[in-house]
Amino acid sequence: DAGVIQSPRHEVTEMGQEVTLRCKPISGHDYLFWYRQTMMRGLELLIYFNNNVPIDDSGMPEDRFSAKMPNASFSTLKIQPSEPRDSAVYFCASWTRGLAKNIQYFGAGTRLSVL
Amino acid sequence: DAKTTQPPSMDCAEGRAANLPCNHSTISGNEYVYWYRQIHSQGPQYIIHGLKNNETNEMASLIITEDRKSSTLILPHATLRDTAVYYCIVRVAPYNTNAGKSTFGDGTTLTVKP
Repeated sequence: DAGVIQSPRHEVTEMGQEVTLRCKPISGHDYLFWYRQTMMRGLELLIYFNNNVPIDDSGMPEDRFSAKMPNASFSTLKIQPSEPRDSAVYFCASWTRGLAKNIQYFGAGTRLSVL
Repeated sequence: DAKTTQPPSMDCAEGRAANLPCNHSTISGNEYVYWYRQIHSQGPQYIIHGLKNNETNEMASLIITEDRKSSTLILPHATLRDTAVYYCIVRVAPYNTNAGKSTFGDGTTLTVKP
C-alpha cells in the first residue's frame, strides 16, 4: 500500500479564497483523522471519521472549516473563506481497529500558506 | 486521554543510547502508551507502544514503570537520522469508542550530534 496520500503537498492562496485539501486513507482503514500543526499550537486534532461518518468535530476551529468523507477512500477538508491564521501544515491520518498494533498512519501533509 | 509531560529537548551523541522520558501520572488502566516521532516537516511516524510490559522492536525499546505513571523510550544506538521530535501519547484500548483519538503534546526534540 502507498500509505496515506495527501494532495496538494503545498498550497499558496490569498485571503478570502476557498481551499480544499484532499486525503486518501490506507485501503481497509475505517478511521480517518484530520490534524493541523502550527508552531504555536502544535499538532491538533480537528475532526475524525469512522466508516465515513464524522464522530468528533470538536477540534474544528470555526464554521469556515468543513470536512467530508463521501466514501471510504476519499476525504476533503475545506476552508472557506481562508484567512492568514489558517496557515499551517495539515495532516491526514488513518487507522483501523482491526490490526493488532492499532497504529495511526499519517500522510506527508499539506503545507498551506494564506497570504 | 491522559496528559503526558516530556522534556522539551535532549541531546545525544551519535552511536550512544538515547533515553527519552515521559510522565503520564494520570494514566488509566485501559490506556496504552504510544510513541511517535516526527522528522522535520514529515508526518508523525509510529515507533512503539505498550500497556504495562516492556516492549522492543526493530526501532526502539519501551520501558514502562510498574505503576505505569512513566515510561522511557530507548533508541539503543542513535544515528543522525534519529534527530526528530518524539511524542509520547496515551490512548485508550482499541475496543473503546474513542480508541483512535490521540492528543499530541509538545514532544521532545532530540538532537543527535556527531
